[in-house]
Amino acid sequence: EAQVTQNPRYLITVTGKKLTVTCSQNMNHEYMSWYRQDPGLGLRQIYYSMNVEVTDKGDVPEGYKVSRKEKRNFPLILESPSPNQTSLYFCASSSGGPGSYNEQFFGPGTRLTVL
Amino acid sequence: GQNIDQPTEMTATEGAIVQINCTYQTSGFNGLFWYQQHAGEAPTFLSYNVLDGLEEKGRFSSFLSRSKGYSYLLLKELQMKDSASYLCAVSPPGGSYIPTFGRGTSLIVHP
Repeated sequence: EAQVTQNPRYLITVTGKKLTVTCSQNMNHEYMSWYRQDPGLGLRQIYYSMNVEVTDKGDVPEGYKVSRKEKRNFPLILESPSPNQTSLYFCASSSGGPGSYNEQFFGPGTRLTVL
Repeated sequence: GQNIDQPTEMTATEGAIVQINCTYQTSGFNGLFWYQQHAGEAPTFLSYNVLDGLEEKGRFSSFLSRSKGYSYLLLKELQMKDSASYLCAVSPPGGSYIPTFGRGTSLIVHP
């Protein structure tokens, strides 16, 4: 089954404790991205990747890191989480950038709470 | 930059028709997506418009006017399961990959 998986689905942590949210897709997609979704603000892109070892900042990259060592995986790293990073996070993948007819497939989401 | 506007919330009756509007002002444009998102779940793709006009797909249709910076999603024969948030997203020109999403329209369908 074609899918995007994220782990963990739920996480409660404390300020400053490094964490990683994993994302994996089995569709051989080149493009992957991370979004955060907050009430009243909609989906905002954090980072994106157009291929292995190619990543770039989205609209709200501060406090986050990513890596793309393999095509299927795109982990999101919070080196020192803060309470303002409490949010619902989505990973997405597509076969091309949205400059073409390429829908994004979203993972199930990770609900992160930073105390 | 890009700015996308959608109504925050709409209500409609089961069996009726509802139109969700989206206006955008962008520095570049290559197409417009609509996604559906049920509470607590991931967004799922509904439609993509790149040319002006109406695209029909079952009970859902999407319209685009590039000259007016305007799109709408039309939902017919509403069902209770259509209660969800509907996200309008503008696709950037080639070379960039930062899609901009509107804040979403929460649709409540009541009996």
